[in-house]
Amino acid sequence: DAGITQSPRHKVTETGTPVTLRCHQTENHRYMYWYRQDPGHGLRLIHYSYGVKDTDKGEVSDGYSVSRSKTEDFLLTLESATSSQTSVYFCAISETGTENSPLHFGNGTRLTVT
Amino acid sequence: SQQGEEDPQALSIQEGENATMNCSYKTSINNLQWYRQNSGRGLVHLILIRSNEREKHSGRLRVTLDTSKKSSSLLITASRAADTASYFCAPGAGSYQLTFGKGTKLSVIP
Repeated sequence: DAGITQSPRHKVTETGTPVTLRCHQTENHRYMYWYRQDPGHGLRLIHYSYGVKDTDKGEVSDGYSVSRSKTEDFLLTLESATSSQTSVYFCAISETGTENSPLHFGNGTRLTVT
Repeated sequence: SQQGEEDPQALSIQEGENATMNCSYKTSINNLQWYRQNSGRGLVHLILIRSNEREKHSGRLRVTLDTSKKSSSLLITASRAADTASYFCAPGAGSYQLTFGKGTKLSVIP
């Protein structure tokens, strides 16, 4: 497995609370991505990063923010969690960030918002 | 980015049989990737086929690509219980934002 660690692996939180998920990589890859996976929707891109302090929005970015202060860490923050953000969140990394470069995924964080 | 659509949504076969799943997409692509996801785990890259390739093999996997029909197929030969997983395709069309569909859920019965 590529060196990708997501933390926490499971989290239960209440509506309205802030939540931060962490993705840590040891591959020194420039590109990092956050996806969410929901039944009936497949995987949808939330945000991605193409370098330290360089980030951009994906297709479902509302309610989420990200930060990347170091190559190895990409943080996903839910400023005020809602029940619709209950999901499994996956981090992925890519060496070149092009379509020719496979994505390597972490094992996910299961988030439940009550 | 564009999303591929996998078909069928679910497939159940006996161990030793071949499994075929399909992917359709809408616009021109540069390549197409296939991924596997075991229950409770992240996606794992299986194979990448470029738009100028018609067929590619990797072990028991065979991928075909028909750009005229905008479709790809993944064949797993002599399936094993360990092949039980969901399979996703990801068309690549010039963007590094890969998009995934809902996948095909394969069950291989021992």
